[in-house]
Formats: sequence, C-alpha cells, structure tokens
Amino acid sequence: GDSVTQMEGPVTLSEEAFLTINCTYTATGYPSLFWYVQYPGEGLQLLLKATKADDKGSNKGFEATYRKETTSFHLEKGSVQVSDSAVYFCALGFSGTALIFGKGTTLSVSS
Amino acid sequence: EAGVAQSPRYKIIEKRQSVAFWCNPISGHATLYWYQQILGQGPKLLIQFQNNGVVDDSQLPKDRFSAERLKGVDSTLKIQPAKLEDSAVYLCASSSPARSTEAFFGQGTRLTVV
Repeated sequence: GDSVTQMEGPVTLSEEAFLTINCTYTATGYPSLFWYVQYPGEGLQLLLKATKADDKGSNKGFEATYRKETTSFHLEKGSVQVSDSAVYFCALGFSGTALIFGKGTTLSVSS
Repeated sequence: EAGVAQSPRYKIIEKRQSVAFWCNPISGHATLYWYQQILGQGPKLLIQFQNNGVVDDSQLPKDRFSAERLKGVDSTLKIQPAKLEDSAVYLCASSSPARSTEAFFGQGTRLTVV
C-alpha cells in the first residue's frame, strides 16, 4: 500500500543552522505531498504542499520540491530558529481520500 | 474562519470504561476524518466521513470503536470498552470539496487509559 518514510529523529541544531528532513514515499499514481508541523500542545498545521512533479512548496522559509524520479519531498530551511522546534510530518494524499503520514521527525533548535 | 473544534482536550479513564470525543469541523467542509496518533508515531486514519456517510472505516476497530456524523456536521467518536493501548491523541480533521487533499486539524483530545 501507499506509505511515507521519514528520517528518524530527533534532529538537534543550533540556531541559524541549515535544516534538511528527508521524506520518501511509495504510492500508486501521483499523489499530492505535504509537510505538516505540530508545535507542543497543538494540532497539526499545514506547512507547505506540492501537487505535481517538480512543484516547489514554500512557507515561512521552509521549502520542499516534489521529485517524482526519486519519490522524495525533502524539507529544507536555510536558517532555523528556536521557534521552529516542533515535530514535522510528511504526508501524501489523493483527492477524496485521507492523508497518509510518516512517523514524524522531532526538531530541536537551541540558541 | 473558525478552525476545527474538539472536546475535551484531555481525558483520563480506567480500562474497560467508555469515553466519547466530539468534533465540529470547519463550516462547509463536507469531509471529516478521525485519526489516532500514538506517542512517537504519525496520525493513522480511523474513519472518514463524506457528509453523513462513511467513506472509509477499514482501520476502525469496530468491536470497541464507533463513530457517527448524524447531520453531516458534528461528529462523535466513542470507545467502549477502552484498553490500555487506546492511550493516544485523537485528532479530528476536515476538508472542503474544492481542496479535498488538504486537511485542517483540530487540537486533538489526549486520552490516557490507566
């Protein structure tokens, strides 16, 4: 079945460091791809999305590019802040069906 | 616009007791989802509604879990009887017909079964 695999965490970085969180997927067809973020004590919030190959989603300095050839959607940010500390989930979805999530990657940023 | 509302935020019950969670989706969102998020894992779909009909309940443990969405708006998820392994965060999400792949989540209900 369809699935999402994320890099294991936790990821610990210093402020202003470069961030990459790897995400690969397995799917029949061409899903939309998402990154959701979960701050402590809160629900999931959509961070960015891409709906077709080579699309780049971006928001709040985060970016991810839909790579069909490598079935990947890696999350990147050039300079992380303490406020970026959260759990990040990669997900895939098809129209009319529920999202399938990865296990999540915890990011901890220290000043 | 108002987000997805869930209640309660926290619940502690003893095993074999029953519990119910409530969700009010974003106005106009026809699709409603209940997910279970066990600590350290990603959300897993329990049930998906389209208006008041069930689209997918293949992963719902139907011997103890039930859900309804009687008027196509609010939804209730019930567990009876609860087991220790039901301890998790229960997330409700909704999506609109125009953007059906994009789900909006509530804050969740954290259930602890002791």
